Amino acid sequence: AQSVAQPEDQVNVAEGNPLTVKCTYSVSGNPYLFWYVQYPNRGLQFLLKYITGDNLVKGSYGFEAEFNKSQTSFHLKKPSALVSDSALYFCAVRGDNAGNNRKLIWGLGTSLAVNP
Amino acid sequence: DTEVTQTPKHLVMGMTNKKSLKCEQHMGHRAMYWYKQKAKKPPELMFVYSYEKLSINESVPSRFSPECPNSSLLNLHLHALQPEDSALYLCASSLTPDSPYEQYFGPGTRLTVT
Repeated sequence: AQSVAQPEDQVNVAEGNPLTVKCTYSVSGNPYLFWYVQYPNRGLQFLLKYITGDNLVKGSYGFEAEFNKSQTSFHLKKPSALVSDSALYFCAVRGDNAGNNRKLIWGLGTSLAVNP
Repeated sequence: DTEVTQTPKHLVMGMTNKKSLKCEQHMGHRAMYWYKQKAKKPPELMFVYSYEKLSINESVPSRFSPECPNSSLLNLHLHALQPEDSALYLCASSLTPDSPYEQYFGPGTRLTVT
């Protein structure tokens, strides 16, 4: 069965420090991995995705994520956090098998708080 | 342009009312989705339309009725809802449903059932 785990409900980081939001996954076949962000009372915004190729993926707002196949992880990172990065972050995965390719499986989300 | 629009932004309805949520995209996407989201939880898939045909219904109660009039529009008709249906309803679209394309979300409709 496909699954996504975001092991931390909340991450706190000081402004200017690097941030990491963790995600691990389980999927049959090759994974398609996504990160979304949700600001309070807003819809979800797409940040970045991994399909194939370079394990380091760069996305919007200075975020990047590293795909690690052996550890089945896709952690979201940013070198220097901003207070405006405070939001709810969701990791999601789809498998490339024909039977699984229509549904995104979502993690439970990680609330990021960046303190001034 | 990666915009998905949804109307209304807020909706309060009684349990006997009939109302509709609307979603529109002009990105040429051929897959459209309805999700329900409770506070601080991940979105829950309700329906998927693929090339204007309903392809996935996640066992959603019949008081929710989706409609896809054309490739740009998606409606969700609501009737006889329950208070537990109060949530943020999100519409999304992607280029196709069968490829690893990201979904673009609208801002949502905040629904309150009284």
